[in-house]
Amino acid sequence: GESVGLHLPTLSVQEGDNSIINCAYSNSASDYFIWYKQESGKGPQFIIDIRSNMDKRQGQRVTVLLNKTVKHLSLQIAATQPGDSAVYFCAELSNDMRFGAGTRLTVKP
Amino acid sequence: NAGVTQTPKFQVLKTGQSMTLQCAQDMNHNSMYWYRQDPGMGLRLIYYSASEGTTDKGEVPNGYNVSRLNKREFSLRLESAAPSQTSVYFCASSLGPYNSPLHFGNGTRLTVT
Repeated sequence: GESVGLHLPTLSVQEGDNSIINCAYSNSASDYFIWYKQESGKGPQFIIDIRSNMDKRQGQRVTVLLNKTVKHLSLQIAATQPGDSAVYFCAELSNDMRFGAGTRLTVKP
Repeated sequence: NAGVTQTPKFQVLKTGQSMTLQCAQDMNHNSMYWYRQDPGMGLRLIYYSASEGTTDKGEVPNGYNVSRLNKREFSLRLESAAPSQTSVYFCASSLGPYNSPLHFGNGTRLTVT
């Protein structure tokens, strides 16, 4: 989920399990959403995007679901691997792009 | 393919000193952005350039200036650094203004003492 303040939500999963990371967005007029992955010491890396005329989009091992009714976005990672450990955050676009603070995913071997 | 390149990677300044953060992209993108990232907070937009020759303020522009030198390069200047400007600064670019994914550099970690 989204974070306010200094402490990011965390998600810890076992290697091989599926991960679901959630994001609540604020603006019902937002029409474009992006998920980013940020590893320690690096810049955010694009994972997948979705436009508001869709409710699901799949990539390689990742799926994004969009529920406009409740303004909720989720990122599903299949067969999570240690290399997936990072901070994941969503971005929403209306007049500008707003970023959430993110969720820290830790994958246990 | 380098993508977005930022220099320097690290910098320590004393209060009142000035410096310029450099950013260049090789993806022929029209739009470029400067963000700051503070612990536990989302990226906040400082300035952006929708296209070569234009710049606009973002959410937190005070204390900063920018220059879109050409299509490839977008620099961020701190004229008189303050401790509140201690942060990690990210440059990003996109094909157009906010209609496609932003591609980020690896950041400049700035400490102002």
